[in-house]
Amino acid sequence: AQSVTQPDIHITVSEGASLELRCNYSYGATPYLFWYVQSPGQGLQLLLKYFSGDTLVQGIKGFEAEFKRSQSSFNLRKPSVHWSDAAEYFCAVESSGYSTLTFGKGTMLLVSP
Amino acid sequence: DTGVSQDPRHKITKRGQNVTFRCDPISEHNRLYWYRQTLGQGPEFLTYFQNEAQLEKSRLLSDRFSAERPKGSFSTLEIQRTEQGDSAMYLCASRTRGGRADTQYFGPGTRLTVL
Repeated sequence: AQSVTQPDIHITVSEGASLELRCNYSYGATPYLFWYVQSPGQGLQLLLKYFSGDTLVQGIKGFEAEFKRSQSSFNLRKPSVHWSDAAEYFCAVESSGYSTLTFGKGTMLLVSP
Repeated sequence: DTGVSQDPRHKITKRGQNVTFRCDPISEHNRLYWYRQTLGQGPEFLTYFQNEAQLEKSRLLSDRFSAERPKGSFSTLEIQRTEQGDSAMYLCASRTRGGRADTQYFGPGTRLTVL
């Protein structure tokens, strides 16, 4: 069965600093991978997704992620964090059956002034 | 495109009561998913509809949970005889009839508190 691990429960980054959120997955075939963001009281918003092709994926709000098959990783990055990026971030892998998503436990991003 | 909507946004109930949540997907989306999210966890898949057919329900947490999508449009999730452990955010998502890696669009969720 597929699984997703997000090793960091909380991360604090200074505004303007770079960000990397880690995601490791377990999946038997070619994974379809997603990053979602959830602000307090809100639903999940898709940041970016990978399913084939270029392993560096660009998303919304200046985020990007790199798929590394050899490391089973799909880490999310942003070169300069803004205070509005403070939220919870979820990595997910899609199943091959009904395309259900398996999520990690999330990483809470705190942005300090 | 008005997005996925869910009603109510918040529900407080007493243990043992029945509750029903509604999800209205994006209008042209024929696929609909329900997820549950507990504190400190990522969303967990519960059930899946394609049009009005419930194709996957083995992940519903117990026989107290049931879902319907009678005309292939909106869906309802019902929890009978609620327990305190049912307190969670219930999320609905929809997607088009396309292939894999099509985006699932999530609603804002219904937060259930069982007293």
